[in-house]
Amino acid sequence: TQLLEQSPQFLSIQEGENLTVYCNSSSVFSSLQWYRQEPGEGPVLLVTVVTGGEVKKLKRLTFQFGDARKDSSLHITAAQPGDTGLYLCAGSLGYHTGGFKTIFGAGTRLFVKA
Amino acid sequence: NAGVTQTPKFQVLKTGQSMTLQCAQDMNHNSMYWYRQDPGMGLRLIYYSASEGTTDKGEVPNGYNVSRLNKREFSLRLESAAPSQTSVYFCASTMGGWNTEAFFGQGTRLTVV
Repeated sequence: TQLLEQSPQFLSIQEGENLTVYCNSSSVFSSLQWYRQEPGEGPVLLVTVVTGGEVKKLKRLTFQFGDARKDSSLHITAAQPGDTGLYLCAGSLGYHTGGFKTIFGAGTRLFVKA
Repeated sequence: NAGVTQTPKFQVLKTGQSMTLQCAQDMNHNSMYWYRQDPGMGLRLIYYSASEGTTDKGEVPNGYNVSRLNKREFSLRLESAAPSQTSVYFCASTMGGWNTEAFFGQGTRLTVV
């Protein structure tokens, strides 16, 4: 069974603090995506990382793909209330017959207090 | 810019009733998916359609059927609803192939009593 574990499951912080969310697996991924989901909405894609060791920045969010492409992290600098939401990582695995399969982590629920 | 549209947004069913969840995408994507989301369990794949004319089982297909009506539309049917199917259902689409970046609908919150 391929699993994608996210930690922490829940995080409540004050506005202005920094935080890091982790996504770990024993599987090697072809690519990995991070999504943010707000209540009553579907997940929205934030970023895709493909290369081992890759770092991508999206304003105050920094995403890193592990060298071995088994793990990823999301770092938020100076968190704001608008960052509140459920953060999901999703890893894509190649099928031996071709095509790709995507597995999702359970998510990290972030609450940023003003 | 509609993206992925799901209907209905909310539904309450009695045990044993049937219903169909509708999904349509306007991005000319090849692949479409149905997920369910339950607290603490993330998104679990029910069925997917890699391309028009094909459908395959995902991780939790029991109790569901799907139809890829055309390239735009992918429906999910519950033939005899059970309380265990109470969940939030999401439809998603991707370009397909190596591109697995998914676009999701707003979800259908289904309660089976």
